[in-house]
Amino acid sequence: DSGVTQTPKHLITATGQRVTLRCSPRSGDLSVYWYQQSLDQGLQFLIQYYNGEERAKGNILERFSAQQFPDLHSELNLSSLELGDSALYFCASSVDVEGGNPPLHFGNGTRLTVT
Amino acid sequence: GDSVTQMEGPVTLSEEAFLTINCTYTATGYPSLFWYVQYPGEGLQLLLKATKADDKGSNKGFEATYRKETTSFHLEKGSVQVSDSAVYFCALRAGGGNKLTFGTGTQLKVEL
Repeated sequence: DSGVTQTPKHLITATGQRVTLRCSPRSGDLSVYWYQQSLDQGLQFLIQYYNGEERAKGNILERFSAQQFPDLHSELNLSSLELGDSALYFCASSVDVEGGNPPLHFGNGTRLTVT
Repeated sequence: GDSVTQMEGPVTLSEEAFLTINCTYTATGYPSLFWYVQYPGEGLQLLLKATKADDKGSNKGFEATYRKETTSFHLEKGSVQVSDSAVYFCALRAGGGNKLTFGTGTQLKVEL
């Protein structure tokens, strides 16, 4: 058990809809990362938050947004969903020590299916 | 930009066979290199890491050596087990920040 909790485990929704994925980081970790894993694109970094503020941005679409709350949990919001958004979405957390190479601890992911 | 290239899978081996999964990278500066493993239905777990040239990371019988001259970080294990069946991801961390850039993953299947 990594200590990172993601909910829900599975989500099935229709095109054009909006969903929210939730992540609770490991106790003590201030950084949260979101990754998208799809068959054709592999594991793509979306965005990182550190202690409530955006720290780094990757290949995140404008239809997607995220935030990290004061209790350090994070939410990833996906809107105007398209079939191609179907993927496994992972959250990871770390202690985020600069230059310290802390490991990322991954949750078990949320599988999103857009129909 | 930074990138990681892994050999395509699936790789199918018999139990006790020798494993090599190739990984090469492109990055500015001197990245740290990692191997993560993903078992079915689970998230990724750190398997091993190396932070500078010629470092060897090792864990659970797996090892990988950071080769700066060939920009490679190949994963090896002398004798695989059925329980090693999983997807293996090579990754790098470069520059500032802690985000990881992953390869596409290599699925390993070990049969009796």
